[in-house]
Amino acid sequence: EVQLVESGGGLVQPGRSLRLSCAASGFTFDDYAMHWVRQAPGKGLEWVSGISWNSGSIGYADSVKGRFTISRDNAKNSLYLQMNSLRAEDTALYYCAKDIGSGTFWGQGTLVTVSS
Amino acid sequence: DIQMTQSPSSLSASVGDRVTITCQASQDISNYLNWYQQKPGKAPKLLIYDASNLETGVPSRFSGSGSGTDFTFTISSLQPEDIATYYCQQYDNLPQYTFGQGTKLEIK
Repeated sequence: EVQLVESGGGLVQPGRSLRLSCAASGFTFDDYAMHWVRQAPGKGLEWVSGISWNSGSIGYADSVKGRFTISRDNAKNSLYLQMNSLRAEDTALYYCAKDIGSGTFWGQGTLVTVSS
Repeated sequence: DIQMTQSPSSLSASVGDRVTITCQASQDISNYLNWYQQKPGKAPKLLIYDASNLETGVPSRFSGSGSGTDFTFTISSLQPEDIATYYCQQYDNLPQYTFGQGTKLEIK
């Protein structure tokens, strides 16, 4: 059974950092690209970042470029999102997602709240 | 960057109605388009991939069409359990993917 479990969310002050993790199981992790997608309270979906299976291709939304860094550890079946210089507008539920097309699977998300 | 314009933003229809949602890309994305359904408090669920392919296990009343810049998502006969918000997503412009703004579907 495919599972994606996000962790690392919480309340953080503006300007501080947070690192999200996503633990994957039930599939061959290093066969797939992985993504972070977020959803602010009451708002729509926003793709945040994606990373290819071997970390050779990485992309970011303009809203987080230069502040967020995606990475993966295929030996640990884990995906990460290092979030620096956090802003109030980064407050959202952050989902980890396996691939994008057919067979995609999403975790249940971890909530990040940026507030003083 | 590719922008996705989805319409309408909200829609009210009756059970049994045919429902259509459109999504327009700011540039040619071939058929690299997904449609997702999201119910309150749940993660999004993929319904259609590559613009017109039905994901495994998804009821056949859902369908998608289009290529290039103009795409359509259709529910042939609306059911009460289809009440949700629907999103299109392009995945042509590596390494950036973008979602449409969403369409909230309600029962009339």
